[in-house]
Amino acid sequence: EAGVAQSPRYKIIEKRQSVAFWCNPISGHATLYWYQQILGQGPKLLIQFQNNGVVDDSQLPKDRFSAERLKGVDSTLKIQPAKLEDSAVYLCASSRRVAGGQFFGPGTRLTVL
Amino acid sequence: QKEVEQNSGPLSVPEGAIASLNCTYSDRVSQSFFWYRQYSGKSPELIMSIYSNGDKEDGRFTAQLNKASQYVSLLIRDSQPSDSATYLCAVEGGGTSYGKLTFGQGTILTVHP
Repeated sequence: EAGVAQSPRYKIIEKRQSVAFWCNPISGHATLYWYQQILGQGPKLLIQFQNNGVVDDSQLPKDRFSAERLKGVDSTLKIQPAKLEDSAVYLCASSRRVAGGQFFGPGTRLTVL
Repeated sequence: QKEVEQNSGPLSVPEGAIASLNCTYSDRVSQSFFWYRQYSGKSPELIMSIYSNGDKEDGRFTAQLNKASQYVSLLIRDSQPSDSATYLCAVEGGGTSYGKLTFGQGTILTVHP
């Protein structure tokens, strides 16, 4: 079974630029998550989708971050405009149902200069 | 603010010893608990899940849960240098936070030959 796929793996941008990340979950997994992990900290949930509906986006900075999951499969996370403090690893995870273990993709390391 | 706290590290143990990793959580209605292993520069990997009080063993790993004390631990027996990584405790919320994982800050484990 293929794991969670993410791209790109690395991205370097200037502050105030925009950036987008892509995620393809494990086949058959209805629930998809985006996390932000800052160096030395545990992952922090940004948004959770169940199929193509948002379950929880309470910690998503909506003035600059947006996410969508079209057709309940792939998802994109966008940052516009980026700030220096957005430098982090952005992790996508999926699970078969709302509760239960989550499986992570390789992540995208974002550096904002 | 629902929190997950892990014992401060880093933790260093000799090869063959038992490594003990501890975690406390604040949300009393939490139902599911997970341990993730994260190698440097990699994404978190699910290694253990536990849902009821007591011990759960899987190979060299034993997870222990005490809901009354709001405490979960991970024991690694016969530690190997390949176990050197950051271990993340994750707690799944209940009630309105059902399905949402809150991660601890992680404990860095080093197993030296």
